[in-house]
Amino acid sequence: AQSVTQLDSQVPVFEEAPVELRCNYSSSVSVYLFWYVQYPNQGLQLLLKYLSGSTLVKGINGFEAEFNKSQTSFHLRKPSVHISDTAEYFCAVSSGGGADGLTFGKGTHLIIQP
Amino acid sequence: DAGVIQSPRHEVTEMGQEVTLRCKPISGHNSLFWYRQTMMRGLELLIYFNNNVPIDDSGMPEDRFSAKMPNASFSTLKIQPSEPRDSAVYFCASSPGVQGNEKLFFGSGTQLSVL
Repeated sequence: AQSVTQLDSQVPVFEEAPVELRCNYSSSVSVYLFWYVQYPNQGLQLLLKYLSGSTLVKGINGFEAEFNKSQTSFHLRKPSVHISDTAEYFCAVSSGGGADGLTFGKGTHLIIQP
Repeated sequence: DAGVIQSPRHEVTEMGQEVTLRCKPISGHNSLFWYRQTMMRGLELLIYFNNNVPIDDSGMPEDRFSAKMPNASFSTLKIQPSEPRDSAVYFCASSPGVQGNEKLFFGSGTQLSVL
């Protein structure tokens, strides 16, 4: 079985400040890791994903994430946030072997303060 | 492509009534997923299909819930009878392949309120 823990349910940040959204996972097999973003009243959109190779993954809108196998983490970062980054962010894991669905964390609400 | 299309966008019904949610995946996608989102439980996978065949329905909460995919371009999620605790946003998503590394494309969701 696999699971995802997002340690912060809400993160307030001032505009143009850096941000890190934390994600830890557990799985008995190799995993694929994802970050999705959900803007108000919309479905989820993929920000970035880690499948293999370089542990630093760059995504859309200036976000990046680093896979750390020893710490079973996949934290999301952005060096300078904008008001338009206000949204719910979900970390997700999928087992490396097969065609099962994603297991999502409970989400982190990123609040950008002017 | 128009993306994943869900209908209706909003559904308000009374306890005990049957509710049917509909989903049209992106053409050519081989996998379809139904998720439920609530404040308390976050996003939960209810069921997913590969090539129209249900693969894992262990997330379906009770026998009141059923899902079908009669063809590659249409799926339904039915709740009968509905209860207030079923109130949530229900998302449908599709992906091109059948492997766990594929990106999911989500619909805009159906907001269900059971009174």
